[in-house]
Amino acid sequence: ETGVTQSPTHLIKTRGQQVTLRCSSQSGHNTVSWYQQALGQGPQFIFQYYREEENGRGNFPPRFSGLQFPNYSSELNVNALELDDSALYLCASSLSTNSPLHFGNGTRLTVT
Amino acid sequence: QQQVKQSPQSLIVQKGGISIINCAYENTAFDYFPWYQQFPGKGPALLIAIRPDVSEKKEGRFTISFNKSAKQFSLHIMDSQPGDSATYFCAASIPPGTASKLTFGTGTRLQVTL
Repeated sequence: ETGVTQSPTHLIKTRGQQVTLRCSSQSGHNTVSWYQQALGQGPQFIFQYYREEENGRGNFPPRFSGLQFPNYSSELNVNALELDDSALYLCASSLSTNSPLHFGNGTRLTVT
Repeated sequence: QQQVKQSPQSLIVQKGGISIINCAYENTAFDYFPWYQQFPGKGPALLIAIRPDVSEKKEGRFTISFNKSAKQFSLHIMDSQPGDSATYFCAASIPPGTASKLTFGTGTRLQVTL
């Protein structure tokens, strides 16, 4: 059974640029959630996708957007990058919207 | 009201000892309280979780104690081992989508020494 995989593992971008992060969910999981983890902090909920529709959003501005595809993989897009967007971005999949999360190892984004 | 406060920030325990990490919350609508373990370079992994209808849950060396009236819950790691050295996060969520939309604490860095 393949777990949650994220790409790329590391990324460096310049302030103002746009970035796309990718996530493949665990087999059989139809729900994908994205979290932002700043250095030394706990993960913060960005949003969740269930069957290709957004199913809840945390306190993040609209420049954070996402997609879920028919195979349940997902993308996180961030426009107009700011220095404070530097963080570990974690994708997690689950069997359903009310099942425990299985996290990937994250994408480390550095904005300079 | 969405915050979960976690303490201590870091903890050093001798091998074989008991590690105790505490969390407190304000929002009485929270109904699911998991603990996650994170190793460096890895994503968090679910350790154990509890719902407010029970006061304690034990899985192997890991126990959650839950005090609904005090709005506190804690993780106890019995017979702590060097392999337990990691960062531990408590979390909580409100329905619907309870298990997947989590509010995390700030983490406790546990070091188990020989």
